[in-house]
Amino acid sequence: GAVVSQHPSRVICKSGTSVKIECRSLDFQATTMFWYRQFPKQSLMLMATSNEGSKATYEQGVEKDKFLINHASLTLSTLTVTSAHPEDSSFYICSARSQTVKAFFGQGTRLTVV
Amino acid sequence: DQQVKQNSPSLSVQEGRISILNCDYTNSMFDYFLWYKKYPAEGPTFLISISSIKDKNEDGRFTVFLNKSAKHLSLHIVPSQPGDSAVYFCAASFTGNQFYFGTGTSLTVIP
Repeated sequence: GAVVSQHPSRVICKSGTSVKIECRSLDFQATTMFWYRQFPKQSLMLMATSNEGSKATYEQGVEKDKFLINHASLTLSTLTVTSAHPEDSSFYICSARSQTVKAFFGQGTRLTVV
Repeated sequence: DQQVKQNSPSLSVQEGRISILNCDYTNSMFDYFLWYKKYPAEGPTFLISISSIKDKNEDGRFTVFLNKSAKHLSLHIVPSQPGDSAVYFCAASFTGNQFYFGTGTSLTVIP
């Protein structure tokens, strides 16, 4: 089946630094990738949608300058959390889809900002 | 506004019995539904899906039922096993694009 690999699975960073999270579709070309964030005791919330070769579409309330999303190829999208703060600590998950693949999720990244 | 709701935050079931997890949605435009299982600190693991043209989909011990008129989705696990203990999320979307997730139901299967 389709596989989406997300890396790293866990990361701890200092406040003020930037962190990059990668999401790769391993055996299909992902025309669209989605980035979700999960706050404690809440459901996954969509942050942004990215289509290969174009700018990401951000959901209301998500700072595009803080959460930089790049989808430069059909198999890779990256989320960069810039100038991270402790309140950015969360669980981030990507999902990818193509014309034939509905949606598969990455393993998620646990970000802790200290 | 929560478009997908799982009203039971937790459920305990004896091993071997049936587990029934429920999910309600508000938007009649949703046409594709998923159930995911999640262990702590891991990403969701896809379980089973169903499109709105069906009312039932079965995969081994897992069966998903869709009642479009009631906007209700349920996941049946038979027989339940201790390894099924996890948090289960239902999710709904328009043609597989953005997914709206429920808040999850924590299932505990008691040996």
